[in-house]
Amino acid sequence: DAKTTQPNSMESNEEEPVHLPCNHSTISGTDYIHWYRQLPSQGPEYVIHGLTSNVNNRMASLAIAEDRKSSTLILHRATLRDAAVYYCILVRNTGGFKTIFGAGTRLFVKA
Amino acid sequence: KAGVTQTPRYLIKTRGQQVTLSCSPISGHRSVSWYQQTPGQGLQFLFEYFSETQRNKGNFPGRFSGRQFSNSRSEMNVSTLELGDSALYLCASSSTGNYNEQFFGPGTRLTVL
Repeated sequence: DAKTTQPNSMESNEEEPVHLPCNHSTISGTDYIHWYRQLPSQGPEYVIHGLTSNVNNRMASLAIAEDRKSSTLILHRATLRDAAVYYCILVRNTGGFKTIFGAGTRLFVKA
Repeated sequence: KAGVTQTPRYLIKTRGQQVTLSCSPISGHRSVSWYQQTPGQGLQFLFEYFSETQRNKGNFPGRFSGRQFSNSRSEMNVSTLELGDSALYLCASSSTGNYNEQFFGPGTRLTVL
């Protein structure tokens, strides 16, 4: 199963942009890159996903490297409510979900 | 639309017992996945059901089993509980079960004494 590597933790100031990196050097051509986040005492929450092109939604942007071996989740203006563990995962076309979550990045946001 | 619901939210069992957890997906969603989350191992995939069939399976022993009903509701069962089974069990549903986003429930916190 393809694995992802993320920094254990990152820190940001409130209202500043945050770039959360993810390495996935063993990604295959049909793997989608998904990002989820988990706030304290809650289940994970979908943030964004993409295949090859950069993606934007109301929560964040996803920048995917040209070789697809890495990606970056961009929070344009961090708020205190964005403090969470962010997971970068690869979703493979197995005819369903068999997602492998890594340890994720714990994001701390300072006021 | 109501979100994913899981019952019960908290459960205490003793070693050797068995337990059944329930998950009701978002209306219209046919894929239901189960995950185990522990501080030491993080989020681990248990299995996924789609249209009453187990479609994918993680690396857990046979004591962990599941099923899905015709209304897409799912249950997971753990037999002969061990102390190490203490965890947060999360259920997630998806509309098609392929590349779409998964919606997670709040989880069931299982404590094995």
